[in-house]
Amino acid sequence: DGGITQSPKYLFRKEGQNVTLSCEQNLNHDAMYWYRQDPGQGLRLIYYSQIVNDFQKGDIAEGYSVSREKKESFPLTVTSAQKNPTAFYLCASSYSAGGETYNEQFFGPGTRLTVL
Amino acid sequence: ILNVEQSPQSLHVQEGDSTNFTCSFPSSNFYALHWYRWETAKSPEALFVMTLNGDEKKKGRISATLNTKEGYSYLYIKGSQPEDSATYLCAFSRGTGRRALTFGSGTRLQVQP
Repeated sequence: DGGITQSPKYLFRKEGQNVTLSCEQNLNHDAMYWYRQDPGQGLRLIYYSQIVNDFQKGDIAEGYSVSREKKESFPLTVTSAQKNPTAFYLCASSYSAGGETYNEQFFGPGTRLTVL
Repeated sequence: ILNVEQSPQSLHVQEGDSTNFTCSFPSSNFYALHWYRWETAKSPEALFVMTLNGDEKKKGRISATLNTKEGYSYLYIKGSQPEDSATYLCAFSRGTGRRALTFGSGTRLQVQP
């Protein structure tokens, strides 16, 4: 079955620790995205990548880092510099040859991160 | 940061009612407008992607219209059913600059049986 997987589903972290959220897709999509959702708010873009070995900052990139070494994988690291990391994190992917945004995005199941 | 506004924020209707939501976005340099449905405990799923002014799309009882000149899109649900209960998100992208979507905060729909 083609799709996007995120792991883990729930993650607990102590303050001051870095943590990496996994996102893998087997849809052969070029573009991948990371979003954050807080209660009562929409999806806010953290980072996106339209091709391997390239990625761009979104609206709230501070305190986060990403890598895109393989087409299928786009891990997100939440660093200790992120002041308020407790949130729900969604990964998505889409066809995006040339960077167009008229292709629908497919979303993973999400990871809920809680900082203790 | 682009501003995408959705209204109302939440809506409670009775089964069988028809309803509609609004998505407002900047009208300059329009490229694409997406609608997604996000049911509780599931992942968001695409309903429509629209790119042309005046475009109308339909999927079963759900339809959407697009006005890029004035910067708005309407989503209509005819004869709401309990299974339509979800958060409906719209997202907008421009033709130049950042090649990514900006999402609104969503309209949460509850359909009472």
